[in-house]
Amino acid sequence: DTGVSQDPRHKITKRGQNVTFRCDPISEHNRLYWYRQTLGQGPEFLTYFQNEAQLEKSRLLSDRFSAERPKGSFSTLEIQRTEQGDSAMYLCASSAWDRDYGYTFGSGTRLTVV
Amino acid sequence: AQTVTQSQPEMSVQEAETVTLSCTYDTSENNYYLFWYKQPPSRQMILVIRQEAYKQQNATENRFSVNFQKAAKSFSLKISDSQLGDTAMYFCAFRPTGGGSNYKLTFGKGTLLTVNP
Repeated sequence: DTGVSQDPRHKITKRGQNVTFRCDPISEHNRLYWYRQTLGQGPEFLTYFQNEAQLEKSRLLSDRFSAERPKGSFSTLEIQRTEQGDSAMYLCASSAWDRDYGYTFGSGTRLTVV
Repeated sequence: AQTVTQSQPEMSVQEAETVTLSCTYDTSENNYYLFWYKQPPSRQMILVIRQEAYKQQNATENRFSVNFQKAAKSFSLKISDSQLGDTAMYFCAFRPTGGGSNYKLTFGKGTLLTVNP
């Protein structure tokens, strides 16, 4: 297990289409986070899972966004009816319960909505 | 709510020189962690150094050290003997200790550091 994997690395989609991103955390990490990073900004929190339970969602996560983490393993983030404002880097991170002060980040999925 | 401010959008330094990146934060929490993350171009974000607020001693990791001033809510990063590979965006981040929503990190807007040969 070499780290947090995200797929795809890049996604270009037309406005109005649905997209889904996948994150595979480090296997022994029970906590998983999604962040969004727009150009010139720091990452902003979207949502957080502990095992399979989604414990918190940011107000940034509109009704068009949904995230799941079935069986507490990988996670998916789906955006429905994409808008140009959704263009951003979507970062996934994970952490272990006993060392949760630091995250391990994935390389991110860069979404471009045209 | 916590806020993290990085007042230097861009900085540059000559190879082998020392540079200091600034970060201030605002919080009503007494116990928390502070972090510096490095994000090289088109590469993943990695943790550079972290500081627990209850520790008075400043954290160090090889060429990286911090100056943590809790009363001033200041957390600067010093990079000694700068190397070309240090070129990256640097983010300061804050997280309260404890459970619940305290697991999420609050980031500053970042400082783009360029190390020149």
